[in-house]
Amino acid sequence: AAGVIQSPRHLIKEKRETATLKCYPIPRHDTVYWYQQGPGQDPQFLISFYEKMQSDKGSIPDRFSAQQFSDYHSELNMSSLELGDSALYFCASSLGRPNEKLFFGSGTQLSVL
Amino acid sequence: GEDVEQSLFLSVREGDSSVINCTYTDSSSTYLYWYKQEPGAGLQLLTYIFSNMDMKQDQRLTVLLNKKDKHLSLRIADTQTGDSAIYFCAENSNSGYALNFGKGTSLLVTP
Repeated sequence: AAGVIQSPRHLIKEKRETATLKCYPIPRHDTVYWYQQGPGQDPQFLISFYEKMQSDKGSIPDRFSAQQFSDYHSELNMSSLELGDSALYFCASSLGRPNEKLFFGSGTQLSVL
Repeated sequence: GEDVEQSLFLSVREGDSSVINCTYTDSSSTYLYWYKQEPGAGLQLLTYIFSNMDMKQDQRLTVLLNKKDKHLSLRIADTQTGDSAIYFCAENSNSGYALNFGKGTSLLVTP
């Protein structure tokens, strides 16, 4: 069965650079969620989209923005990167909201040097 | 998440049962979840329970929910070395759209 696809798998950037992470939800899923997981930490909710509209906002910094496109894929844009942004970024998708089942991708490991 | 608490480590011997505990604070949570994360991997949904249920069994996994005490547990029967991973408890956020995770319990299964 198709799963949530995230790209790239790994990304290395320098301070003050920008980064774009992509997420392709499970086919027919209309809701995507972005989470940030620092080393040894639990995943922290950043932002979510339902039917291309922002549906919920968590601890997303102002330097970050995200959107969901007409094909339901989502992109997380990160600017003015800081060392503390180094983390594993997960995307999850679900069908409808609220939904009892969130399926997570394998994540993008971002390293800021 | 600060509202979901778990013990950090658990070590068991292969073949024994493992019990991972979790307490949460949001009484309005509709669903409660257990996710498994292996090193360098994503979060795998293991099982979840609707808040009006007391128990759910799925093969080797048993979830118990005590809504009065806001206590959730995951029992893994006949624990195998492949079960070694971090287990996250999670609840719906207040909005119902996003999940609020605990810090995770690192389970080590020794031969």
